[in-house]
Amino acid sequence: GQQLNQSPQSMFIQEGEDVSMNCTSSSIFNTWLWYKQEPGEGPVLLIALYKAGELTSNGRLTAQFGITRKDSFLNISASIPSDVGIYFCAGQSGSGGSNYKLTFGKGTLLTVNP
Amino acid sequence: KAGVTQTPRYLIKTRGQQVTLSCSPISGHRSVSWYQQTPGQGLQFLFEYFSETQRNKGNFPGRFSGRQFSNSRSEMNVSTLELGDSALYLCASKLGETQYFGPGTRLLVL
Repeated sequence: GQQLNQSPQSMFIQEGEDVSMNCTSSSIFNTWLWYKQEPGEGPVLLIALYKAGELTSNGRLTAQFGITRKDSFLNISASIPSDVGIYFCAGQSGSGGSNYKLTFGKGTLLTVNP
Repeated sequence: KAGVTQTPRYLIKTRGQQVTLSCSPISGHRSVSWYQQTPGQGLQFLFEYFSETQRNKGNFPGRFSGRQFSNSRSEMNVSTLELGDSALYLCASKLGETQYFGPGTRLLVL
């Protein structure tokens, strides 16, 4: 089955630093999604990428859909304490209906030291 | 627009019991998916419902079942609970290609 390798598993950084995390897959995806999850809550969608090569920003967050369609990265610039949480990548295959499938990475735990 | 809502938020059950969890999708979303999240296995797909029909299914035993109503609200049922069923159960509604998650129901099986 499809597998997503997300790295790093965890990061401990100082406030103000930039952060980068990425996901790679052995399979091609049609869509890449990045979510953030805080304790006791469900994942919240940060950025959605729909086209190979696409680079999308959401405030201090920037994500790219790899040109091979097998990878994606998420960058966070000038981190702040509220960036703490677990970041998940998710790759979507299929085109809707019974073919639609969303595969999640294991997550990157981000800790920001004030 | 209100987000995905799930009830209850927390639940404690004992082995052998059954449980029903509820999910209300974002208004206008017809697809509802359920996921189990545990520290060891991460987010695992249970099933997806669309227009009251199960459209996709993950690799979970038959003790896990679900249904969707005509207003797109969905319920998930787990029968004969086991200790390993303790997890955060997440519901997500989808419009187009993007899923939006609810806050989850934290189930503890004792």
